[in-house]
Amino acid sequence: EVQLLESGGDLVQPGGSLRLSCAGSGFIFSSYAMSWVRQAPGKGLEWVSTISGGSGSPYYADSVKGRFTISRDNSKNTLHLQMSSLRAEDTAVYYCAKNSDSSGKNYVDYWGQGTLVIVSS
Amino acid sequence: DIQMTQSPSSVSASVGDRVTITCRASQAISGWLAWYQQKPGKAPKLLIYAASSLQIGVPSRFSGSGSGTDFSLTISSLQPEDFATYYCQQAYTFPRTFGQGTKVEVK
Repeated sequence: EVQLLESGGDLVQPGGSLRLSCAGSGFIFSSYAMSWVRQAPGKGLEWVSTISGGSGSPYYADSVKGRFTISRDNSKNTLHLQMSSLRAEDTAVYYCAKNSDSSGKNYVDYWGQGTLVIVSS
Repeated sequence: DIQMTQSPSSVSASVGDRVTITCRASQAISGWLAWYQQKPGKAPKLLIYAASSLQIGVPSRFSGSGSGTDFSLTISSLQPEDFATYYCQQAYTFPRTFGQGTKVEVK
């Protein structure tokens, strides 16, 4: 059974930094691209970033480019999202998601339960 | 960026009803479309990928169709557990983009 467990969500001040993590199990972690998708309170889904199974060139939404960095440690089956220069509009539940292939040029097929990030003073 | 527009934004329906949700892409995306279901406080769940392929474990009352710019998700006979919000997403190119969501509510 595929399981994705996010951690690291917290209350952080504007301009601050935070690192999210996601532990994957139940599948060969290194064989699949991984993504982050977020959802602001009461709003729809927004794709944030995707990284290939082999940690090739990541993709970012324009709204986070230059501020967020996606990375993975395949030896520990873990995905990370380093977030800096956080803004109020980054407040959201952040979902870790598994893609259906290694390249990331396919669909998200499993989602974690999410971790809440609140950016506020 | 490719804009995804869903309609309607919400629909009121009864158990047993046939419900159809549409999704329009701002440019052609071939069949690179997925549908997700999300219940309050829960993570989204993949229902349909490649426009019309049913994800493993998803009931056959869900079906998808379309290609190019126009797509639809149909629930043939609405069940109590189907009241939720549904999102389309294009997987044709980055950045990935979602529709704004369609909430299926109890009539």
